[in-house]
Amino acid sequence: RKEVEQDPGPFNVPEGATVAFNCTYSNSASQSFFWYRQDCRKEPKLLMSVYSSGNEDGRFTAQLNRASQYISLLIRDSKLSDSATYLCVVNLYSGNTPLVFGKGTRLSVIA
Amino acid sequence: DVKVTQSSRYLVKRTGEKVFLECVQDMDHENMFWYRQDPGLGLRLIYFSYDVKMKEKGDIPEGYSVSREKKERFSLILESASTNQTSMYLCASSLATGRRANEKLFFGSGTQLSVL
Repeated sequence: RKEVEQDPGPFNVPEGATVAFNCTYSNSASQSFFWYRQDCRKEPKLLMSVYSSGNEDGRFTAQLNRASQYISLLIRDSKLSDSATYLCVVNLYSGNTPLVFGKGTRLSVIA
Repeated sequence: DVKVTQSSRYLVKRTGEKVFLECVQDMDHENMFWYRQDPGLGLRLIYFSYDVKMKEKGDIPEGYSVSREKKERFSLILESASTNQTSMYLCASSLATGRRANEKLFFGSGTQLSVL
């Protein structure tokens, strides 16, 4: 099983649509989870952390399902400006180990 | 805001050249990282450092070395550049808490290196 796995997409959705991405991770003991956003030819930036109880930031909702070892990102009322690659990032292992990145899911929101 | 600065946005080098990629952060972060990003392969960790003069191999260290003589600066060195090292190189830093690497990462804007 790949350590952090995402559907690469692309997801092409119309403006106003709701779109959801899932990401699976290999280590059931993983503790920290994040979604990063990367615009074309730009660096990744933290979009939101994912908490056990789930969390919401405006149109974005992140959820964690420990039993099935996946996290999700839901985007409601998609905007053209949401077009980007969304990276799932997990602290897979405890101790002095770096975060592990998924390969990213590409989203294109179309007018 | 944290600023992570990479010395060059674009770089063209010849096969066999020694290449230095510089990264400086201005927020006193303990942790620094070097990644490369290639289409279809995502971000891959080359080397990282949790302290001055400390370095650890990431997932793909072959053909690279690093130097961290000062806390704010983390250099990536390609001893003898090869064409398969053509890539986007991203530096990142984060604040450590108990030496855990699960804090927010701040990235530089990247260096697109072409090795001819």
